[in-house]
Amino acid sequence: GAGVSQSPSNKVTEKGKDVELRCDPISGHTALYWYRQSLGQGLEFLIYFQGNSAPDKSGLPSDRFSAERTGGSVSTLTIQRTQQEDSAVYLCASIIQATSGGLYNEQFFGPGTRLTVL
Amino acid sequence: AQRVTQPEKLLSVFKGAPVELKCNYSYSGSPELFWYVQYSRQRLQLLLRHISRESIKGFTADLNKGETSFHLKKPFAQEEDSAMYYCALRGTDKLIFGTGTRLQVFP
Repeated sequence: GAGVSQSPSNKVTEKGKDVELRCDPISGHTALYWYRQSLGQGLEFLIYFQGNSAPDKSGLPSDRFSAERTGGSVSTLTIQRTQQEDSAVYLCASIIQATSGGLYNEQFFGPGTRLTVL
Repeated sequence: AQRVTQPEKLLSVFKGAPVELKCNYSYSGSPELFWYVQYSRQRLQLLLRHISRESIKGFTADLNKGETSFHLKKPFAQEEDSAMYYCALRGTDKLIFGTGTRLQVFP
């Protein structure tokens, strides 16, 4: 079936506005990750959802960032009161489950949302 | 602390030259390591993992626990290898990525 999809592909906003980024994982994948990709910072882990467990929010850079995953499928990353340093590509990835036979499974990435904060 | 270091932001070589993309890690335990690649206008995707001991697109990577390294190598670079390469370490049910190395292969 279709891979991971993200919307919008590009988002330009003004400093101080809130934005919502959406991720549709591969159907049946139980684990979902959000990353931020920026020049010089590489790929920063933001948050991780696994099934019905409490999410791992350890990577969120500030309380302006939050994410939800409804019905174990679609996820929304919300950034409140955006700042210019939030400009980056936000990537979503999903896995069928974190591990199989004790080994970590491949993450499948979406195309990303490029966020520009003016 | 769990950490992945890719010391080179940019690596430029000519077609046919050998390539080595460096990756060092910090991890207390038995590590699982991966290389992910992002070609221009494509999604980030898995290239190879150390467990598989495989060669993908001519690339290999050997885990050296003594040097805590997982360098990616290819004996003869091709122009189509130009991409962004990320080394990643398995943490607790998530991956810890390095900052990436951009490989440019000139004709």
